[in-house]
Amino acid sequence: EPEVTQTPSHQVTQMGQEVILRCVPISNHLYFYWYRQILGQKVEFLVSFYNNEISEKSEIFDDQFSVERPDGSNFTLKIRSTKLEDSAMYFCASSRRTADGDTQYFGPGTRLTVL
Amino acid sequence: AQSVTQPDIHITVSEGASLELRCNYSYGATPYLFWYVQSPGQGLQLLLKYFSGDTLVQGIKGFEAEFKRSQSSFNLRKPSVHWSDAAEYFCAVRNQGGKLIFGQGTELSVKP
Repeated sequence: EPEVTQTPSHQVTQMGQEVILRCVPISNHLYFYWYRQILGQKVEFLVSFYNNEISEKSEIFDDQFSVERPDGSNFTLKIRSTKLEDSAMYFCASSRRTADGDTQYFGPGTRLTVL
Repeated sequence: AQSVTQPDIHITVSEGASLELRCNYSYGATPYLFWYVQSPGQGLQLLLKYFSGDTLVQGIKGFEAEFKRSQSSFNLRKPSVHWSDAAEYFCAVRNQGGKLIFGQGTELSVKP
C-alpha cells in the first residue's frame, strides 16, 4: 500500500540554523500539507499546498517558513532560522480530492530538536 | 470559529471492556469528520471518516463512530478493547480548504 515517507526521522539543530524537512507524498496525490505537534500538545496545521501554490497557511507559518515542491515527488518544509520553540514533531500529509471528499494520509513524522 | 473538543485527556479501560471516546465539534456547515490514532513514536493512522450518508461509520481495527448533528458529536466506540489499542486518539474536522483541525487528543491505556 502506498504511503507518505519523511526524512530524516530525527533532526537536531542549533538555534538560528536552517533546516529542511523532506516528504515524499503518495504518488497520485495532488494536495500536500504540513502539520506540527509540540510535545504533549495537539496537532496543528501549518500549511496546505496545491498546484505549486500555498492554498492556506496558519499564523504559525510566518516568514521563517517556506514550502516547495522541487520536483515531481518531493515536498519540503524549510525553516530559515530555527528557534527553540520550533522543536516539535513535523508531519507531512497528502490527499487527492474525490467525489466522497478527501482523506489525508500522514507520514511518520520528523522530530525536530532545536538546541 | 471551527474547533474540536475531546473532553477526556486520559482514559483507562480493562482489556475486553467496551470503549467510547468523546468528540464534539464546532463547524458551521456539514462537517467532514475523522478519527486518527497515534501509537508512541508513530505517525497518524486514519481509523475512520464521515463525509455524508449513514451516520454510523465503520473503521479499521473494529472501531466505529456515530455522527450526531443535534449534539455536534462524533464519538468513537469499540465493543471490546485489546491491549494493542493503547495509543492516543485524535478527532478532527476538515474545513472547506482541506485543513484538518484536531482535538487535544485522548490517551487510552488498557489494563490487563
